[in-house]
Amino acid sequence: AQKVTQAQTEISVVEKEDVTLDCVYETRDTTYYLFWYKQPPSGELVFLIRRNSFDEQNEISGRYSWNFQKSTSSFNFTITASQVVDSAVYFCALSDDGGSNYKLTFGKGTLLTVNP
Amino acid sequence: GAGVSQSPSNKVTEKGKDVELRCDPISGHTALYWYRQSLGQGLEFLIYFQGNSAPDKSGLPSDRFSAERTGGSVSTLTIQRTQQEDSAVYLCASSFDRYTEAFFGQGTRLTVV
Repeated sequence: AQKVTQAQTEISVVEKEDVTLDCVYETRDTTYYLFWYKQPPSGELVFLIRRNSFDEQNEISGRYSWNFQKSTSSFNFTITASQVVDSAVYFCALSDDGGSNYKLTFGKGTLLTVNP
Repeated sequence: GAGVSQSPSNKVTEKGKDVELRCDPISGHTALYWYRQSLGQGLEFLIYFQGNSAPDKSGLPSDRFSAERTGGSVSTLTIQRTQQEDSAVYLCASSFDRYTEAFFGQGTRLTVV
């Protein structure tokens, strides 16, 4: 069965610190997709990234970067020089249906608080 | 509107009553999803629509839950004879197709008292 574990329930940092959110997944499939979503206080889930199981290259988008390591079944997310606006709940998710969005298995989420 | 719209934003209902939750997806999006977010269970998939058809309803927790989509657009999630354990935030999302980025609404917070 699929499983996504986000061991960090809450993280609190001071603005400008770097922070890494951990995500460990379990799946029996060789083809799967991994996602990160951000949920700000307004409630909607905001898509951040999708990565397929055949692409282990790290991804960087501005202050955000993702490290995918199949050997450890991890897909960690780093925010560099955090800002107060980064405060949100972050969810890691897994799909093994050819990258579709419709049946995502989510982790429990990590609440990130960035203090000024 | 530009985004996924859900109504009502908050709903308080008495145990045993039926409720209907509405989702207006982004225009042109053929795929639509319902998820439920609760403190105990986290985010759970409920149902997926492609057009007006629901190829996967496997996440609906009981036969008290049903959903429909009409005109390839608006979807309604109906919960009959609500129970306290149905209290949660119900999130709707849509995407151009099931392989492209999904956009989520702000959810409907359902409280069953």
